[in-house]
Amino acid sequence: AAGVIQSPRHLIKEKRETATLKCYPIPRHDTVYWYQQGPGQDPQFLISFYEKMQSDKGSIPDRFSAQQFSDYHSELNMSSLELGDSALYFCASSVGRQNYYGYTFGSGTRLTVV
Amino acid sequence: SQQGEEDPQALSIQEGENATMNCSYKTSINNLQWYRQNSGRGLVHLILIRSNEREKHSGRLRVTLDTSKKSSSLLITASRAADTASYFCATGNRDDKIIFGKGTRLHILP
Repeated sequence: AAGVIQSPRHLIKEKRETATLKCYPIPRHDTVYWYQQGPGQDPQFLISFYEKMQSDKGSIPDRFSAQQFSDYHSELNMSSLELGDSALYFCASSVGRQNYYGYTFGSGTRLTVV
Repeated sequence: SQQGEEDPQALSIQEGENATMNCSYKTSINNLQWYRQNSGRGLVHLILIRSNEREKHSGRLRVTLDTSKKSSSLLITASRAADTASYFCATGNRDDKIIFGKGTRLHILP
């Protein structure tokens, strides 16, 4: 069965650089969520999209932006990277806005800022 | 803001024993979910229990939900080495997101 695809799997960037993370949801899933998980931390909600519109916003820094495209894939753009941005970034997808069945998460992108 | 709080934060048991993890939350919910995460890997959805349900089973997993106490428990029976992982509870409400707790690190000893 198709899963949530995230790319790249690993990314190393220097401080003040820019990074773009991509998420391809399960086919026919129209809702995408982004989470950030620092070392030893629980996943923190960043932002979500439903039908290509932002639907909710969490603790996403102003340096980050995201969007969902017409094919429902989503991209998380991170600028002026800081050392503290080093984390696992997860994307999850679901059908619709009601979380009845649980989310399917991608394997994550591990971002290391040096 | 943090919603779920797992208890204990770390748990070590012998293979074959049962493992119980608890989760408490603060606000009203539509559902509560449990996820497993192997070290540095992705989150795997284990089970979802709705606010009008009290108990749910899936294989060796048993989840209970007490909405009056705002708490849930995850029981893993007959533990195996492969169960070694972090376990998170996550609460879902009418919003589009789920909120994770801090997780329990479970270590199964051979």
